[in-house]
Amino acid sequence: NAGVTQTPKFQVLKTGQSMTLQCAQDMNHNSMYWYRQDPGMGLRLIYYSASEGTTDKGEVPNGYNVSRLNKREFSLRLESAAPSQTSVYFCASSDLAGPPHGNEQFFGPGTRLTVL
Amino acid sequence: RKEVEQDPGPFNVPEGATVAFNCTYSNSASQSFFWYRQDCRKEPKLLMSVYSSGNEDGRFTAQLNRASQYISLLIRDSKLSDSATYLCVVPRVNDYKLSFGAGTTVTVRA
Repeated sequence: NAGVTQTPKFQVLKTGQSMTLQCAQDMNHNSMYWYRQDPGMGLRLIYYSASEGTTDKGEVPNGYNVSRLNKREFSLRLESAAPSQTSVYFCASSDLAGPPHGNEQFFGPGTRLTVL
Repeated sequence: RKEVEQDPGPFNVPEGATVAFNCTYSNSASQSFFWYRQDCRKEPKLLMSVYSSGNEDGRFTAQLNRASQYISLLIRDSKLSDSATYLCVVPRVNDYKLSFGAGTTVTVRA
């Protein structure tokens, strides 16, 4: 099993360009997540999908859109990239686990994005 | 107050030493906790789950203090390979999200 895969691994964009980050998991998980990680800050949730067919905003959704294409795939789109979106982006997946316990999230290797 | 706060460190310790650090959380209703390990430029990976008063896995011990709302991670007999950033993670009580601390950096030197 590959676990969670992400493409691309690295990307450089110019301000105003658009791109889509791809994520796929082969663990049959219901829930998928997109995070960004910036120096000195914890992982911040951009969007998540608790189950196929649903998506919800996290704490920093502005400037991003997502698509839960099927149970395996969850993509993140930057419509008009800005330098503030320079970050490392991680996709994660987990079994559906209701609060308050939560479930282990499995992370992909990340995409390092630089916006000039 | 942040939902999850950690001492960023760095903790610089010699091989064989014991190192411990804490994580405080703001929601007294939180019932479970995770420690994740993140190596430089890699993805986070689960190190340990804590559902009751604590958990032990080899050289790693996590302890939960509900009265003071903190969890600690103790690493005994530190190895060079323990050098990493340790993330404290607390599932949110009312939804499917996790709250992440910014991480504690540990460097083990020879």
